[in-house]
Amino acid sequence: DGGITQSPKYLFRKEGQNVTLSCEQNLNHDAMYWYRQDPGQGLRLIYYSQIVNDFQKGDIAEGYSVSREKKESFPLTVTSAQKNPTAFYLCASSIDRGYQETQYFGPGTRLLVL
Amino acid sequence: GESVGLHLPTLSVQEGDNSIINCAYSNSASDYFIWYKQESGKGPQFIIDIRSNMDKRQGQRVTVLLNKTVKHLSLQIAATQPGDSAVYFCAERGGAGGTSYGKLTFGQGTILTVHP
Repeated sequence: DGGITQSPKYLFRKEGQNVTLSCEQNLNHDAMYWYRQDPGQGLRLIYYSQIVNDFQKGDIAEGYSVSREKKESFPLTVTSAQKNPTAFYLCASSIDRGYQETQYFGPGTRLLVL
Repeated sequence: GESVGLHLPTLSVQEGDNSIINCAYSNSASDYFIWYKQESGKGPQFIIDIRSNMDKRQGQRVTVLLNKTVKHLSLQIAATQPGDSAVYFCAERGGAGGTSYGKLTFGQGTILTVHP
């Protein structure tokens, strides 16, 4: 069963704590993305990666970090520097031929601050 | 209707009616467009796409129309059902010659509510 998985579904963060959101895909896609979605708003790009061991900042990268050690995995760390982390986080992947094809999304992780 | 980057409009219809959701895009060089459906608490789901060399594409109960002259995209859903209730948003990919070449930009969405 091919697709994108994200875990956990819900994540609670304490003040000053770093937390890591998992994203795995078995679609053999080259490109992976992280978006943040706030209530009633569109998707905002945090980071994206077009190839293993390489990634670029998106529009709102401050307070976040990523790694891309394997093609299948693109974890996102929300650091203590992110002062307003409560949001719905979406991971996506796509075939990238130098231009982006359709992005397919995971089920999302909702991050809440305690 | 919806504009990439602006407010979140709503559309309310009766079950069995046809629904039309609109999207105005800004980049005349965009060469590829996608419609997504997002149910509450879930990730967006691909519905249908269209390339700029086409003006119409049909899927199962859905049709996408592209008017490049006025930079307008629409999604038509036939015989709308309660299960179609969701947020629908479009995405455009920047075409050659533009600053966002090859990259997808997402609109904010339209809330569709279907009443039984």
